[in-house]
Amino acid sequence: AQSVSQHNHHVILSEAASLELGCNYSYGGTVNLFWYVQYPGQHLQLLLKYFSGDPLVKGIKGFEAEFIKSKFSFNLRKPSVQWSDTAEYFCAVNAPYSSASKIIFGSGTRLSIRP
Amino acid sequence: DTAVSQTPKYLVTQMGNDKSIKCEQNLGHDTMYWYKQDSKKFLKIMFSYNNKELIINETVPNRFSPKSPDKAHLNLHINSLELGDSAVYFCASSQLGTSGGYAPSYEQYFGPGTRLTVT
Repeated sequence: AQSVSQHNHHVILSEAASLELGCNYSYGGTVNLFWYVQYPGQHLQLLLKYFSGDPLVKGIKGFEAEFIKSKFSFNLRKPSVQWSDTAEYFCAVNAPYSSASKIIFGSGTRLSIRP
Repeated sequence: DTAVSQTPKYLVTQMGNDKSIKCEQNLGHDTMYWYKQDSKKFLKIMFSYNNKELIINETVPNRFSPKSPDKAHLNLHINSLELGDSAVYFCASSQLGTSGGYAPSYEQYFGPGTRLTVT
């Protein structure tokens, strides 16, 4: 069964700093990968997704993520964060050919940006 | 237009009561889900329905009973509420099949959440 690990539980950065949030998954087959963001008091929204093709995926609000198959990783990056990026970030994985109906979420990384 | 809507947004009730949360999606998706998010933000899937049929039923107390009258609705009924049921419950939908001319997308669209507080 697939699983997702987000090792950073809480990340604190100053505005304009660069961001990288780690995400590793465990599954040997084909995967779909997602990053979701949850702003304070709100629901989860999709930031970006990887299904196939170019492993460098660009999402909304200047975020991008790189799928490195050999490392089973899908890290989220942003070159310069803003105070409004303060939120909880969830990495998720889906194995479409084994259990297409299920997406497994990581435990989340809380990002706090100091103004 | 709200894609995935839930009612109520807040629910405060006493232990032992029975309550329901409703969810509706207008995206034409064939699959709907219920998630529980605890105070540490951990998101855990509870149930999933595909075209009104139960396809995921995680280890959830049988006090929780989902009902899907049609593929656009998935309601969650909870009997004999306990303190530990306090959480935010999110409904979500996705398109898994190709029925109706839709292409599978797998990504999930979430509702605004229902904050349940059991006292």
